[in-house]
Amino acid sequence: NAGVTQTPKFQVLKTGQSMTLQCAQDMNHEYMSWYRQDPGMGLRLIHYSVGAGITDQGEVPNGYNVSRSTTEDFPLRLLSAAPSQTSVYFCASSYSLAGVSEQFFGPGTRLTVL
Amino acid sequence: KNQVEQSPQSLIILEGKNCTLQCNYTVSPFSNLRWYKQDTGRGPVSLTIMTFSENTKSNGRYTATLDADTKQSSLHITASQLSDSASYICVVSDAGTYKYIFGTGTRLKVLA
Repeated sequence: NAGVTQTPKFQVLKTGQSMTLQCAQDMNHEYMSWYRQDPGMGLRLIHYSVGAGITDQGEVPNGYNVSRSTTEDFPLRLLSAAPSQTSVYFCASSYSLAGVSEQFFGPGTRLTVL
Repeated sequence: KNQVEQSPQSLIILEGKNCTLQCNYTVSPFSNLRWYKQDTGRGPVSLTIMTFSENTKSNGRYTATLDADTKQSSLHITASQLSDSASYICVVSDAGTYKYIFGTGTRLKVLA
């Protein structure tokens, strides 16, 4: 049981490049989400999914796309990277949104955009 | 606006000492409050989850309290260890939107 896994761990991009951050979980969780963590700020929700085929925008969705074709995977795509997207990105999953379902976080991807 | 504020921003204590971290929130309607520990370079790990009806919850040397009337929570760490050095994040779940509102965290450093 690997929990939530993310790849890559580190990435450097040039402005305008695109890339996909991978996230997978093996706990059969319906709810998955992407957050970014910046210095001096709390984690901010980018996109989330309540099940395969269902995604929605979070607090800071601009410049990012997601899709959820399977329960296990929830990739985050940067369409055209900008320096403002330099951040640490965390994927998380939980059994459900409601109640006291524990949310499990991946180890993070540290992204630098030059 | 739903907000979660934590204090202090940072804290340095000696190994073996106790400390208390504070969390105030304005999130409404309230669903639950969570405390996470985040080691440097790692993802947050859940310590406790408390609902409206729970006043206290413990996880080993970590004890969280919740006063839903004053919208305050605290995390008490007993007999600190070097491994307690981390950021501690308070998160409140909005019962209306099911969204999580994150505090900015308290960075704790435990010195030998």
